[in-house]
Amino acid sequence: SQTIHQWPATLVQPVGSPLSLECTVEGTSNPNLYWYRQAAGRGLQLLFYSVGIGQISSEVPQNLSASRPQDRQFILSSKKLLLSDSGFYLCAWSRDRPTSGANVLTFGAGSRLTVL
Amino acid sequence: AQSVTQPDIHITVSEGASLELRCNYSYGATPYLFWYVQSPGQGLQLLLKYFSGDTLVQGIKGFEAEFKRSQSSFNLRKPSVHWSDAAEYFCAVGVNTNAGKSTFGDGTTLTVKP
Repeated sequence: SQTIHQWPATLVQPVGSPLSLECTVEGTSNPNLYWYRQAAGRGLQLLFYSVGIGQISSEVPQNLSASRPQDRQFILSSKKLLLSDSGFYLCAWSRDRPTSGANVLTFGAGSRLTVL
Repeated sequence: AQSVTQPDIHITVSEGASLELRCNYSYGATPYLFWYVQSPGQGLQLLLKYFSGDTLVQGIKGFEAEFKRSQSSFNLRKPSVHWSDAAEYFCAVGVNTNAGKSTFGDGTTLTVKP
């Protein structure tokens, strides 16, 4: 069966410090990978998605970047965090070629980032 | 571009009562619709999905949803709510491309009274 792991689960960082959140998927190959952000009391905003190694699409302009160095690894980074980067970050994966319809997302447990 | 509206930010129901969470979508083509549930501090779990066919779909935990094209709605229902159903519920519309990106509503928080 497939599993998705995210770490760290909780992170408190000062403004201006760097960020690295990691996500890995097991039990599947060539997944589509996604980073979503959930602000307090809000829905999910898609930040980045990737359909293959080294292929990153950004959905919104921001202080963050993403990378996919390996097939099942997806990393969210920042060189200098802003207060507005605080939130709950969720990694998700879906099959690259769905058997029918759009892709069902499977989410990790999330990483809560607090920038002080 | 697609969008999703969940009109109710917060709903409170008594345990054993019926539940309906509203979802309205906007999308120019055939929608692919989902309901996810999120327990506090956790990721999201898929409850059910609609791709095509029967407009009444059954999901896990006794939930069902009905797709009504004429109303652009995909409301989630449960005949009898349990205390463990207290969570946040998200409706989403998916895009039928290889990337499979989904757009989410802002969510509805469900509180269950004993």
